[in-house]
Amino acid sequence: GENVEQHPSTLSVQEGDSAVIKCTYSDSASNYFPWYKQELGKGPQLIIDIRSNVGEKKDQRIAVTLNKTAKHFSLHITETQPEDSAVYFCAASKRGGGADGLTFGKGTHLIIQP
Amino acid sequence: NAGVTQTPKFQVLKTGQSMTLQCAQDMNHNSMYWYRQDPGMGLRLIYYSASEGTTDKGEVPNGYNVSRLNKREFSLRLESAAPSQTSVYFCASKAGLYSGANVLTFGAGSRLTVL
Repeated sequence: GENVEQHPSTLSVQEGDSAVIKCTYSDSASNYFPWYKQELGKGPQLIIDIRSNVGEKKDQRIAVTLNKTAKHFSLHITETQPEDSAVYFCAASKRGGGADGLTFGKGTHLIIQP
Repeated sequence: NAGVTQTPKFQVLKTGQSMTLQCAQDMNHNSMYWYRQDPGMGLRLIYYSASEGTTDKGEVPNGYNVSRLNKREFSLRLESAAPSQTSVYFCASKAGLYSGANVLTFGAGSRLTVL
């Protein structure tokens, strides 16, 4: 089955700086890579996703890049703000979800220092 | 508001007690999931239901049972709770197992403590 590794487990950055979270996956058949943000006391919520036919996708201050050859993908947050503080999860799956849907990384706790 | 609703939000059990976590979604989604979240372990799939009338084991099914009561509701039962089942449980749903979109919508979570 799929295995997703996520680094770092904790990331502290100064407000206004950029943050990068990296993930690798093991199954070359995976072709859907979402990122979820979990705020304290809430369930995870999708913030951006990318499919294997695209190398990069942006949405305002958030971008995701994908390198299928190396089997890794990254989340980039620019001009970080206090509300970006949360736990971020990457995930991977085959198109259509497969039997078990998404395989998640273990999460990155992003701390934005004022 | 449309979404996934879980009850209860908090529960404390003694070892050996049983309980059921309830989950309902009003988005007409076909597939529903139960995950557990533990520190440093991320989200691990317990059971899922691809469609009404079907259920399948995920990564960590031992000690749990599920029931897909109808298209809206998917419950998780602990028959004899153990301290190792202390966790935060999340229910999630998505449009379909083989739909083009894999977007999971999560509930707010149920925090369970087993003493």
